[in-house]
Amino acid sequence: QQQVKQSPQSLIVQKGGISIINCAYENTAFDYFPWYQQFPGKGPALLIAIRPDVSEKKEGRFTISFNKSAKQFSLHIMDSQPGDSATYFCAASNRGGGADGLTFGKGTHLIIQP
Amino acid sequence: DVKVTQSSRYLVKRTGEKVFLECVQDMDHENMFWYRQDPGLGLRLIYFSYDVKMKEKGDIPEGYSVSREKKERFSLILESASTNQTSMYLCASKRQGAGDTQYFGPGTRLTVL
Repeated sequence: QQQVKQSPQSLIVQKGGISIINCAYENTAFDYFPWYQQFPGKGPALLIAIRPDVSEKKEGRFTISFNKSAKQFSLHIMDSQPGDSATYFCAASNRGGGADGLTFGKGTHLIIQP
Repeated sequence: DVKVTQSSRYLVKRTGEKVFLECVQDMDHENMFWYRQDPGLGLRLIYFSYDVKMKEKGDIPEGYSVSREKKERFSLILESASTNQTSMYLCASKRQGAGDTQYFGPGTRLTVL
């Protein structure tokens, strides 16, 4: 059972455009939602994260929008640049679950065309 | 600067061999994790450890075991490697407490022939 569903699987955006990646979760106990960015040959690195007590978090060109009632969250990359081309993973965890491990979506391969 | 290192970037083993993947972190983190990454499947948690000598199964522990004898080192063991264990293996660590950033190593690409 996939607990975090991510879409699209791949995405091509023109330079300067807005990239949008969506995730939906099932476990209502999740209370921490990070996005990780992975470049080829590298491990994933935290990009931005949100907790469910806010509906939006912005860091530079990256914004997370969170809809608790719909159990959905999304990553928006404004003014997308070729250097943003990477694989993006949404994830979720439950602080009370004891595991502290992350449940990841399957990833989105983003290509920004110059 | 935080650092998670993995013993090998690429590894080729034969079916039935015992395989050790080593991970070391220099951040004095309590929690350490092993994930495998496969195309179209994302990252899946194999095992994690929240303290020395403590371990917990993740989502796909079958065919794997782990060892954590020192706080900074977390080893993944494939007792008898099989071709379906060909994958990218990623180690991560984090400070104790939910929500803190997980720091990943560069990964070990394991091929089992």
